[in-house]
Amino acid sequence: QSALTQPASVSGSPGQSIPISCTGTSSDVGTYNYVSWYQQHPGNAPKLIIHDVSNRPSGVSNRFSGSKSGNTASLTISGLQAEDEADYYCSSYTASNTVIFGGGTKLTVL
Amino acid sequence: EMQLLQSGAEVKKPGESLKISCKASGYSFTRYWIGWVRQMPGKGLQWMGFIYPGDSDTKYGPSFQGQVTISADKSINTVYLHWGSLLASDTAMYYCVRGSGWYSNYFDSWGQGTLVTVS
Repeated sequence: QSALTQPASVSGSPGQSIPISCTGTSSDVGTYNYVSWYQQHPGNAPKLIIHDVSNRPSGVSNRFSGSKSGNTASLTISGLQAEDEADYYCSSYTASNTVIFGGGTKLTVL
Repeated sequence: EMQLLQSGAEVKKPGESLKISCKASGYSFTRYWIGWVRQMPGKGLQWMGFIYPGDSDTKYGPSFQGQVTISADKSINTVYLHWGSLLASDTAMYYCVRGSGWYSNYFDSWGQGTLVTVS
């Protein structure tokens, strides 16, 4: 069971919109609308920011949005801020009744 | 307020056994799957497995089946992760997580992490 594929790194300037992709297969992302995204700042536990493709938990900024097309899900961060600099992980429910994560994407705010 | 409070950091030698814990509070412990996520040094997240404290049903990720044991004591709202014989490659941060959603597919609460060093 291979990890979902994410770009290792992305960068953007304050105020920009940045997409982060997460590619899986028909056994996970492509079949189930159960993709989640997590934000992890250095030294901290991850934090849920999107669940079930596009749902934001209470308290999460509306600058974070999620979508999915085919086997690829995306997280978009709009109005980029310095505090958004972190690692981002996607995850998906799978046909094997397990959960699989992506390899993670390091976001740098220039 | 719901909280997952994990046991402290551990330093062990290869071949030793270890059990780390996660105490849940602020919600109905027996009604949610709760499990573990591994993060090796400088690496990404890996889902290890889950337990449903209501009936102790467990699920494991394919890389962890047979390598670790997840158990729960619902009398004290605590979940455990146990190794019978540690390897140096078990060195990692381990996070306790609560599963939510239709298939407990997302993790809406995370413990603070337990650092396990095997050397």
